[in-house]
Amino acid sequence: ETGVTQTPRHLVMGMTNKKSLKCEQHLGHNAMYWYKQSAKKPLELMFVYSLEERVENNSVPSRFSPECPNSSHLFLHLHTLQPEDSALYLCASATGGVSPLHFGNGTRLTVT
Amino acid sequence: QKEVEQNSGPLSVPEGAIASLNCTYSDRVSQSFFWYRQYSGKSPELIMSIYSNGDKEDGRFTAQLNKASQYVSLLIRDSQPSDSATYLCALTGSGYALNFGKGTSLLVTP
Repeated sequence: ETGVTQTPRHLVMGMTNKKSLKCEQHLGHNAMYWYKQSAKKPLELMFVYSLEERVENNSVPSRFSPECPNSSHLFLHLHTLQPEDSALYLCASATGGVSPLHFGNGTRLTVT
Repeated sequence: QKEVEQNSGPLSVPEGAIASLNCTYSDRVSQSFFWYRQYSGKSPELIMSIYSNGDKEDGRFTAQLNKASQYVSLLIRDSQPSDSATYLCALTGSGYALNFGKGTSLLVTP
């Protein structure tokens, strides 16, 4: 398997649920990212990991908790989400520095 | 606030015409510039990257960069209906990640 793989592709959860999004990259990249994409808004950076260390955290609410156990895997743990958190969550990887991002297929999240 | 501005469109062009997509940015430290294509319901796909002033051509696509004017554009020659998508401008800033514009919706009509 190649590229960046995200699971699940679709997720519906209630406001009291706990769920996790998973991302795996097979590109040998050193950096991994979580972005949120809502309608009519630019892609919003949530978290960046470089060599498994979190290097950027863009004032994301604590109900989103990232985890990067190694350079190939990235998780986003979700708990007590709000309906406005419904969006497309995109994982990406890059070699770092000024290199472009390679995106996974995304998880379409709906919070009811 | 690092701004990346794009006209949201939709930009409608007839099949076979040249589509011109524009992007302006405010962060003068930006060094790398990218164009992504995103089909409805899909994730962004990298189609062009440009790092120095001037033009860069790849098939039907040409990226143009003018750092003095803080302007980057994408030209699509011989537009096809399959080019209908949202085109995202992205660029590096002072942090670790890319800053994205809201995207321009392109519609190529047969």
